[in-house]
Amino acid sequence: DGGITQSPKYLFRKEGQNVTLSCEQNLNHDAMYWYRQDPGQGLRLIYYSQIVNDFQKGDIAEGYSVSREKKESFPLTVTSAQKNPTAFYLCASSGQGAPRFTEAFFGQGTRLTVV
Amino acid sequence: QQQVKQSPQSLIVQKGGISIINCAYENTAFDYFPWYQQFPGKGPALLIAIRPDVSEKKEGRFTISFNKSAKQFSLHIMDSQPGDSATYFCAAQGPNSGYSTLTFGKGTMLLVSP
Repeated sequence: DGGITQSPKYLFRKEGQNVTLSCEQNLNHDAMYWYRQDPGQGLRLIYYSQIVNDFQKGDIAEGYSVSREKKESFPLTVTSAQKNPTAFYLCASSGQGAPRFTEAFFGQGTRLTVV
Repeated sequence: QQQVKQSPQSLIVQKGGISIINCAYENTAFDYFPWYQQFPGKGPALLIAIRPDVSEKKEGRFTISFNKSAKQFSLHIMDSQPGDSATYFCAAQGPNSGYSTLTFGKGTMLLVSP
């Protein structure tokens, strides 16, 4: 089945530790995104990538890093510089080109908790 | 600065009633307005979307109404069912030229009581 796979579903991080969230898609989409979801805050964009080896900061990129070495993969690293990392993280992808208004497909999310 | 304002934050509707969620935007460059539905512990999924060249779009029990001059759009769920209980997000994207990302509202938690 085509879709987006995020792993792990639950992740626990100790203070001062870096953790990496995985996101893989087999939809052949060019664009991929990372969003953070907090209760009552909606979805806030962390990073996005339009093409392999290129990515752009979103609204809340501080304390996060990404890479896009393959079209299918867009891992997110939550660094120790992120002071409040406990949240639900969502990865998404969308096609580009005509028609421009393409649906964004989301993964099932990773819930990160600092312990 | 919140570019898409969504209301209400939460909504309780009786089964069979009409659920109405409203969104307003400031950026006139937005030209694509989708609604996403999210169940607990899951990722959002596209429900219905509209472009500003039409004032209304209907898909089954779900209707988007769009008022370009007021920069507002709303989601109407007719004959609301308990299975519709979820969080709904409006979003906006634009401009047409170049590349842009989705800007989401803060979400509305809908509960449809049996």
